[in-house]
Amino acid sequence: GENVEQHPSTLSVQEGDSAVIKCTYSDSASNYFPWYKQELGKRPQLIIDIRSNVGEKKDQRIAVTLNKTAKHFSLHITETQPEDSAVYFCAAVSTGGGNKLTFGTGTQLKVEL
Amino acid sequence: DSGVTQTPKHLITATGQRVTLRCSPRSGDLSVYWYQQSLDQGLQFLIQYYNGEERAKGNILERFSAQQFPDLHSELNLSSLELGDSALYFCASSSRLAGYNEQFFGPGTRLTVL
Repeated sequence: GENVEQHPSTLSVQEGDSAVIKCTYSDSASNYFPWYKQELGKRPQLIIDIRSNVGEKKDQRIAVTLNKTAKHFSLHITETQPEDSAVYFCAAVSTGGGNKLTFGTGTQLKVEL
Repeated sequence: DSGVTQTPKHLITATGQRVTLRCSPRSGDLSVYWYQQSLDQGLQFLIQYYNGEERAKGNILERFSAQQFPDLHSELNLSSLELGDSALYFCASSSRLAGYNEQFFGPGTRLTVL
């Protein structure tokens, strides 16, 4: 089955700096890669996603890149703000596996003033 | 608010007991998923139902079972509870069986087994 690794597990940045979170996946049949943000005690919320036929997608201050050959995908947050502090999860969906999300282990992002 | 509802919000019970968690998907969504979030295991997929039928299974214990009813709400039954079953249980829903479709998560049920 699919296995998703995520790094780093914790990330601390200064307000206004950029943050990058990286994930790798194992199943070459995976074709959809969403990113979820989870605040403490709350539900995971989708912040951006990318399909396997796209290399990059941007939405205001967040962007995701995908390298299918290397099976890597990354989340980039620019001009970080304190409200970006949360746990971020990458995930992968593999064709033929229903639509189940295989999550990475999460990155605790802390944006310091 | 994602449109997915879960009850109860919190559940405290003892080892050996059985509990039922309930989920109502967003209006029109046919797929329902259950996930378990614990400190040591992270977010793990348990099971998926689509229009009443089981469609995918993850590392769901034999002590756990689920079903989706004709009105599309779903229930997750956890029996012979152990301390290690303490976790946040999320339900999610999506409009299709598979493909590029977003899963919307409910607020979760926090289960504490004492």
